[in-house]
Amino acid sequence: ETGVTQTPRHLVMGMTNKKSLKCEQHLGHNAMYWYKQSAKKPLELMFVYNFKEQTENNSVPSRFSPECPNSSHLFLHLHTLQPEDSALYLCASSLNAGGYNEQFFGPGTRLTVL
Amino acid sequence: GENVEQHPSTLSVQEGDSAVIKCTYSDSASNYFPWYKQELGKRPQLIIDIRSNVGEKKDQRIAVTLNKTAKHFSLHITETQPEDSAVYFCAAIWETSGSRLTFGEGTQLTVNP
Repeated sequence: ETGVTQTPRHLVMGMTNKKSLKCEQHLGHNAMYWYKQSAKKPLELMFVYNFKEQTENNSVPSRFSPECPNSSHLFLHLHTLQPEDSALYLCASSLNAGGYNEQFFGPGTRLTVL
Repeated sequence: GENVEQHPSTLSVQEGDSAVIKCTYSDSASNYFPWYKQELGKRPQLIIDIRSNVGEKKDQRIAVTLNKTAKHFSLHITETQPEDSAVYFCAAIWETSGSRLTFGEGTQLTVNP
């Protein structure tokens, strides 16, 4: 399972820290996504990129800042997070943007904000 | 608005029994309904999907049924095995939101040997 990789797999940070999550896909896809997965809640779409252009921001707070330098790489820059931001952050990719395309997920980054 | 409700949140069955998970959606324009399976500590993976022009789709022990009138769709797993234990997520697509996928809350299925 190396199609979509994410680093780090686990991250603990304080509320004043700045950190970044990285996602890389080796599938030749054109669309990439960030999701937040919290316990007992549905997968929440955060951002969508298509051909490295952001096409969707699902009302995500500005303390989360995405970056997509090319179709294979996606970053999520984190700063001044809150404890309620602790969750599993999943990256996904699909051939093209839009829900009709099968999404391939990465293993996720388990984030804990102290 | 976009809403997918999934029931039950947890389901425990004996090996060999059938399991059914049901989802309802709010947007009558939805026309694509995938199901994802997430095993413990692993990533979600697509296991089956259905489009609104069919009422049922089967893939070996897994089937999905769709009732567009009632706006609900269900996942059926027959002859369950311990490796079927996982969290199952339904999803629906909203054309008015750029064909965004909206997920249900998930069902933790446990198959007891």
